[in-house]
Amino acid sequence: ETGVTQTPRHLVMGMTNKKSLKCEQHLGHNAMYWYKQSAKKPLELMFVYNFKEQTENNSVPSRFSPECPNSSHLFLHLHTLQPEDSALYLCASSQEIEGAVPQHFGDGTRLSIL
Amino acid sequence: GQNIDQPTEMTATEGAIVQINCTYQTSGFNGLFWYQQHAGEAPTFLSYNVLDGLEEKGRFSSFLSRSKGYSYLLLKELQMKDSASYLCAVRDGNYQLIWGAGTKLIIKP
Repeated sequence: ETGVTQTPRHLVMGMTNKKSLKCEQHLGHNAMYWYKQSAKKPLELMFVYNFKEQTENNSVPSRFSPECPNSSHLFLHLHTLQPEDSALYLCASSQEIEGAVPQHFGDGTRLSIL
Repeated sequence: GQNIDQPTEMTATEGAIVQINCTYQTSGFNGLFWYQQHAGEAPTFLSYNVLDGLEEKGRFSSFLSRSKGYSYLLLKELQMKDSASYLCAVRDGNYQLIWGAGTKLIIKP
């Protein structure tokens, strides 16, 4: 039990589908993150939310749309994805954005685009 | 640009000691993290260094030299369960986390 829960664990979708990834943290943290992890590549930060406000969007294509309704929940809405978007999508949370505080990760959603 | 370098893969023997190196070039420095990630699981926090020197936590230790842009993670008395990827991440001057690609550690009996 990591304190950060992601659903679904696995998702297969076609390029024209619309789906959403969900993340919930039970740690009382104020910041939440979406990362993309591809094989043998560094983690790519996609979005950062601090107290429900988006503070970072690292040049992510508009086919990825985040939503943070409250400090405990984070969604990633997917639409018209490309095969190169197949990857592990990790959600993380932390008490704050700066400082010595570590990020706590969920187990990720393994996304495959057909 | 900013980057983190660590070996792609290492192999070690059960019961032995292994050192995983990480070198970094970043715009500013506000701390270095090590994470462990087992296949198919979440990365989990191992250690944090912001001052030069060695931080010890049981079988795991992490070292930092800011002047050299260098850190290592030392794992002692290796166990089979230590087979995992080890991720190095540096918080830069803007407090952004810059990640390495990870080192896959294989432990052999």
